[in-house]
Amino acid sequence: EVQLLESGGGLIQPGGSLRLSCAASGFTFSNFAMTWVRQAPGKGLEWVSAIRGSGDATFYAGSVQGRFTVSRDNSNDTLFLQMNSLRAEDTAVYYCAKVGTSGTTFPASWGQGTLVTVSS
Amino acid sequence: DIVMTQSPDSLVVSLGERATINCKSSQSILYSSNNKNYLTWYQQKPGQPPKLLIYWASTRQSGVPDRFSGSGSGTEFTLTISSLQAEDVAVYYCLQFYSTPHTFGQGTKLEIK
Repeated sequence: EVQLLESGGGLIQPGGSLRLSCAASGFTFSNFAMTWVRQAPGKGLEWVSAIRGSGDATFYAGSVQGRFTVSRDNSNDTLFLQMNSLRAEDTAVYYCAKVGTSGTTFPASWGQGTLVTVSS
Repeated sequence: DIVMTQSPDSLVVSLGERATINCKSSQSILYSSNNKNYLTWYQQKPGQPPKLLIYWASTRQSGVPDRFSGSGSGTEFTLTISSLQAEDVAVYYCLQFYSTPHTFGQGTKLEIK
């Protein structure tokens, strides 16, 4: 069974940095791309970032390009999202998700999410 | 970026009746080399992460009840719930994964009449 457990969320001041982690289990982590999706309170879903299984390619939404960095540690089955220069509009629940099948990029299995609140 | 527009924003349907949600993309998300539409549908209940219902526009995810079906091609897509059950109350989202950044529709809130 696929399990994804996000951590690292919390309250951070504008301009600050935070690193989210997502511990994966139940599948061969390095074989699958992984994604981050966020949801602001009471709002819809926003795709944030993705990274290929090998880690050799990364993709970002325009709203986070240049501020967020996605990475992965395939030896420890962990996905990361380094978030810098945080803004109030980055406040959201951040979900990590495994893609559906190897070679695809749509989120299929989701974690429970971790809440990031950017406020002074 | 590809813009995904869902309609309606909210929907009220009686138990046992059909519910239809539409999703339109600003450009075609049909990939000609494999004839697949790069579209998924998700269901999200309050306090829960989204759940994948449909991928490739019409392929039902394992374990999803067969009352859920997806259709459409190119730029226009539909999620149909053939006979609404109480547990189907949720917000439904479409997502295009044809190109990055992937983009979601704004969501459709489905309620029981």
